Formats: sequence, structure tokens, C-alpha cells
Amino acid sequence: ELKVEQNPLFLSMQEGKNYTIYCNYSTTSDRLYWYRQDPGKSLESLFVLLSNGAVKQEGRLMASLDTKARLSTLHITAAVHDLSATYFCAPKTRPDVNQGAQKLVFGQGTRLTINP
Amino acid sequence: NAGVTQTPKFQVLKTGQSMTLQCAQDMNHEYMSWYRQDPGMGLRLIHYSVGAGITDQGEVPNGYNVSRSTTEDFPLRLLSAAPSQTSVYFCATRLTAPYEQYFGPGTRLTVT
Repeated sequence: ELKVEQNPLFLSMQEGKNYTIYCNYSTTSDRLYWYRQDPGKSLESLFVLLSNGAVKQEGRLMASLDTKARLSTLHITAAVHDLSATYFCAPKTRPDVNQGAQKLVFGQGTRLTINP
Repeated sequence: NAGVTQTPKFQVLKTGQSMTLQCAQDMNHEYMSWYRQDPGMGLRLIHYSVGAGITDQGEVPNGYNVSRSTTEDFPLRLLSAAPSQTSVYFCATRLTAPYEQYFGPGTRLTVT
């Protein structure tokens, strides 16, 4: 069974600083997704990481995937207040006749607060 | 193109009442799913469907029923609401590949 752990769960940082959110998962997965959620809102897709070594960047956010280490990271560069949100990672389960359709399994989320 | 829509946005139920949360999509996606989101627990999969007429259980299916008679609609039924079902419910859809999911706006349910 695929289990996902994000850390930290809460992160308070100053504007202009850099930081990294980590997503560890327990079994092999070949694809991983990052989502953003603002308070009271739905989830917004940020990145789809399709293979080992994949790196995607959008503005001040950069995501990477190491399938051998079962680790994905979301790096924030020179944080700004607008990036305050909760971030979720979600690896996809591998095809398995006993597990039904392939599914996304979500981490607990990292609540990021960026202070001026 | 409305994407994924959910109704109602908010609902308050008394223990033991039943209701149906509606989810509709106009993207012709085969895969639809229901998640619940509780504080500190991320999203947990309740039920999913890989196409009309096909449904399966997710991680937390107890107390919920689903059916999929059309590609567009995937309603979630609470047969006898319990306070433990107080949560925010999200419907999501995706194509078979590349598996990226699109989420509806959510339904906030309170059971008293």
C-alpha cells in the first residue's frame, strides 16, 4: 500500500527566503503530482512529474522527482506572500490487478505561511 | 465548458438524514472520484469510477454509496449521516492518461 509523508507539515517563512518541502512515499511510483490549495478553495494543479530526474519550474516554484529514493521536492525561491497556501504531493499507484484502477495518494499537505 | 461542478456548496444535516452530493463534468473524462478532506489528513479517496456502470471502493468507503449511469455524472450518497462524516467533499475527474486530476469546487458538509 502506497503511503505518503510530507514534511514539514507547517512552515512559516519570511519573504525573500528559500525553502524546500519534501514528499516521501513508500512504494514504487512512476509519476507524481503537486497541488496547491488556498483556504476554503479547491485544489489547483501545479506540476506533473513523469519520470525519474524530472524537474519542472514555474515562477518561484521548482519541483523534482527521484523515483529511486522515492522522494519529490518542491523548492521555493525568494518567497513572496502570494505563495502562502497548502501544498500537497500525490504519487500515483502502480498498475496492480489487486489494487483496482491506478489512483493518486495524497500527502497530508504542507501549510506554508509567508510573512512580509 | 464548466469543467467539474458540485452541488450543493454547503449542507447541514442532522444525524440519520440522507442526502446526495452531486458531481458533473463536461470534459468527457472516463475516471471520476470522490475524496473527503479533513483537517490534517490530506485527501482520502472514498469511491471512484473508471467509466459508466463501473465503480469501486477507495480508502474510506463506509457510509457512502455511488453509482455511475452516465459519463457526466457521479453522485455520492450518504444513506444515514453521522457526525464523523462532517468534512469537505471534493469530486475529481481525469483522463486515463496522463492521470492529472481536475477537482471540483467542493461541498462543505456538517452533520449535527
